[in-house]
Amino acid sequence: EPEVTQTPSHQVTQMGQEVILRCVPISNHLYFYWYRQILGQKVEFLVSFYNNEISEKSEIFDDQFSVERPDGSNFTLKIRSTKLEDSAMYFCASSVQGGTYNSPLHFGNGTRLTVT
Amino acid sequence: KNEVEQSPQNLTAQEGEFITINCSYSVGISALHWLQQHPGGGIVSLFMLSSGKKKHGRLIATINIQEKHSSLHITASHPRDSAVYICAVLSLSQFYFGTGTSLTVIP
Repeated sequence: EPEVTQTPSHQVTQMGQEVILRCVPISNHLYFYWYRQILGQKVEFLVSFYNNEISEKSEIFDDQFSVERPDGSNFTLKIRSTKLEDSAMYFCASSVQGGTYNSPLHFGNGTRLTVT
Repeated sequence: KNEVEQSPQNLTAQEGEFITINCSYSVGISALHWLQQHPGGGIVSLFMLSSGKKKHGRLIATINIQEKHSSLHITASHPRDSAVYICAVLSLSQFYFGTGTSLTVIP
């Protein structure tokens, strides 16, 4: 069964550095999402992406964050100048449809980001 | 403010017991998702529903739109059902997540 893949599984970086988290969504999916989960807390929505542009973003997704679909397969989350509080598990998800259309989400296994 | 509230937060059951996890939400939604998060952190989508009831194996999910409430039931629970179960709602193109219910099923 096709799945969403995320790399790396664990990323350690120093405060102030830039990181890029990578995701390969399922090939026929059109909507892409990033979520994060700080250890011990609930999952939080960051951003949704459709047709090569951001369709929705949360208050968390400030100028420090950006997303890109550089080619036909990868979907990346860039965090500029990382802070300690960015340490979390970051999940990528994709769906065939999104927004007001009901479509199951398919999650990747997550990238655990540790900022030291 | 929490748009999605789940109860209970933690649940321990004996193998074979019938389990119910509840989810209440305060926003207008177009869909509600039940997710399962494994101890390793991976998330799997169990159900997506906007009305009525869905069944998959030993899992049943119901939703009452008027009452803004959904339940996830597990029949004949098994230790492999031990995980965190998360309710998430889609509202105006944004997802809001509950804090999860941690289920432990004891053999």
